[in-house]
Amino acid sequence: QKEVEQNSGPLSVPEGAIASLNCTYSDRGSQSFFWYRQYSGKSPELIMFIYSNGDKEDGRFTAQLNKASQYVSLLIRDSQPSDSATYLCAVTLPGGYNKLIFGAGTRLAVHP
Amino acid sequence: DGGITQSPKYLFRKEGQNVTLSCEQNLNHDAMYWYRQDPGQGLRLIYYSQIVNDFQKGDIAEGYSVSREKKESFPLTVTSAQKNPTAFYLCASTRSSRGAGANVLTFGAGSRLTVL
Repeated sequence: QKEVEQNSGPLSVPEGAIASLNCTYSDRGSQSFFWYRQYSGKSPELIMFIYSNGDKEDGRFTAQLNKASQYVSLLIRDSQPSDSATYLCAVTLPGGYNKLIFGAGTRLAVHP
Repeated sequence: DGGITQSPKYLFRKEGQNVTLSCEQNLNHDAMYWYRQDPGQGLRLIYYSQIVNDFQKGDIAEGYSVSREKKESFPLTVTSAQKNPTAFYLCASTRSSRGAGANVLTFGAGSRLTVL
């Protein structure tokens, strides 16, 4: 079983719609959860991170964490064509060194 | 502006050659990392360093070597022992390897290595 799983997509949404990206993880001891955006050929850039159960909002982005069900999601409201990218979920594994494990990413395509 | 500089951006290597990828940061970050990304896969950790003159192997360290002689610099050498080195290599750093902000990675622009 992969430690961090994401649907590879592509997830296609119309401009202005809500895009919902999901990520599941296998280690119940994971404490920190991150969403990165990666444009084709570029390096990842942090969108947001979440530590506690519930929702965390930052502008058009909302991260949702459910530790009991071991999933974390990212909602993008009012999706724009510029949001078209691959979204990487990353999760820390518990231990003396907080190792970050990345999912393979979900490709999002926002069409006008 | 503070950031991470990786060079070269593109690199071509013949089989049997060692190559070194440069990573320099002026963020005053303690911890530095090297990741490898292959198409359709997540980032995989090669090596990391929490402090100068100390580094640890990640998940896929075989065929790679690193050094951390200065806080600002963490070069990666891809040796001839790495059988499939063609990939996108990303250097990253964090403010501290522990505590708040420990895992918020800042990435360089990446180096794309192709073996001919």
